[in-house]
Amino acid sequence: GNSVTQMEGPVTLSEEAFLTINCTYTATGYPSLFWYVQYPGEGLQLLLKATKADDKGSNKGFEATYRKETTSFHLEKGSVQVSDSAVYFCALSDSTNAGKSTFGDGTTLTVKP
Amino acid sequence: SAVISQKPSRDICQRGTSLTIQCQVDSQVTMMFWYRQQPGQSLTLIATANQGSEATYESGFVIDKFPISRPNLTFSTLTVSNMSPEDSSIYLCSVGQDSGNTIYFGEGSWLTVV
Repeated sequence: GNSVTQMEGPVTLSEEAFLTINCTYTATGYPSLFWYVQYPGEGLQLLLKATKADDKGSNKGFEATYRKETTSFHLEKGSVQVSDSAVYFCALSDSTNAGKSTFGDGTTLTVKP
Repeated sequence: SAVISQKPSRDICQRGTSLTIQCQVDSQVTMMFWYRQQPGQSLTLIATANQGSEATYESGFVIDKFPISRPNLTFSTLTVSNMSPEDSSIYLCSVGQDSGNTIYFGEGSWLTVV
């Protein structure tokens, strides 16, 4: 079956530091990959996505590249802000599995001024 | 992108009661799902809401506890029946577009059972 493994948290960084949150996956088909962000007290927002190998998703300074050879989709940002403090979820959706999403456990990021 | 509205956004419920959560989408969608997020946890798929037929439940979830309706391509309901404190969670409606290549979530319904 499908699975997503995320870097364990929590992660604490100083403002303007470089961020990497690792995500690897296993899937039976050809999944689409997603990063979602959940700010305190809110629902999930789609942060970025990639639908095929070598695609790069980007949004709000965050980037992630779909690496089929390493089955990875690591989230990066060059300079984090306090407002980036949130829980980040890596997920995949497999069209052969009727679009169901499989989620990682989530990584809590805290950015300190 | 699809706009998904859930109601209620938050509620405090008495043990033993049932609550129905509504999910409205601003466009017709084929794939619609219900997830649960327990405190501090990741998301777990409860079921796929099938239009015009019975929902498809994941292992560990049953229709008697979580009855689901999907009368058309833009609307679904999830009922949490005979609630206990263990049911205190965020319940999220999700839709898939582009053959599952894009998945969107509602803001969630935050339920606390006392």
